[in-house]
Amino acid sequence: AQSVTQLDSQVPVFEEAPVELRCNYSSSVSVYLFWYVQYPNQGLQLLLKYLSGSTLVKGINGFEAEFNKSQTSFHLRKPSVHISDTAEYFCAVIPSLTSGTYKYIFGTGTRLKVLA
Amino acid sequence: DARVTQTPRHKVTEMGQEVTMRCQPILGHNTVFWYRQTMMQGLELLAYFRNRAPLDDSGMPKDRFSAEMPDATLATLKIQPSEPRDSAVYFCASGLQPGPRETQYFGPGTRLLVL
Repeated sequence: AQSVTQLDSQVPVFEEAPVELRCNYSSSVSVYLFWYVQYPNQGLQLLLKYLSGSTLVKGINGFEAEFNKSQTSFHLRKPSVHISDTAEYFCAVIPSLTSGTYKYIFGTGTRLKVLA
Repeated sequence: DARVTQTPRHKVTEMGQEVTMRCQPILGHNTVFWYRQTMMQGLELLAYFRNRAPLDDSGMPKDRFSAEMPDATLATLKIQPSEPRDSAVYFCASGLQPGPRETQYFGPGTRLLVL
């Protein structure tokens, strides 16, 4: 069965410092990969996604992620964070064999806290 | 600025009562999803519709939950009877069509507390 692991439940980081949020997945088939952000009291918003092609994916708000098939990882990075990046971040996969559906498998989320 | 809207934003009810949550998808979107978010289970897909027809509701407890789309501008999720374990945030999302290439747009959620 497919699963998504976000090892860090909380990540504190100072403003303007770089950050990496880790995501690993397990799947016996190829997958599509996503990062979503959830600001307080709001719904989820897509940051970026990997479907195919270049393994380095750039998203909104200066975030990027790199797909590493051998390590089954899709870590999210930002070189310099802002206070406004404080939010919860979710990694998700869709197994490609079910690509006709929207069966997301979400990780448990990582709460990013940017400190002044 | 097109957005998914959900009502009510907050709901407190007593065990055994019926709860109805409503969602207005983005105009033109023909795919609607219902998710539930809890601390214990995280985000779970309950059901989704395409062109108002249910495509998958395998994530939804059938005995007490029901989801419908009376028309293209309204989706509803009902719980009857409600139980304390149903306390969660329920999100609706809409998209142009199924598939990972299409972005899902999430509403702000309905925060439900069942006492």
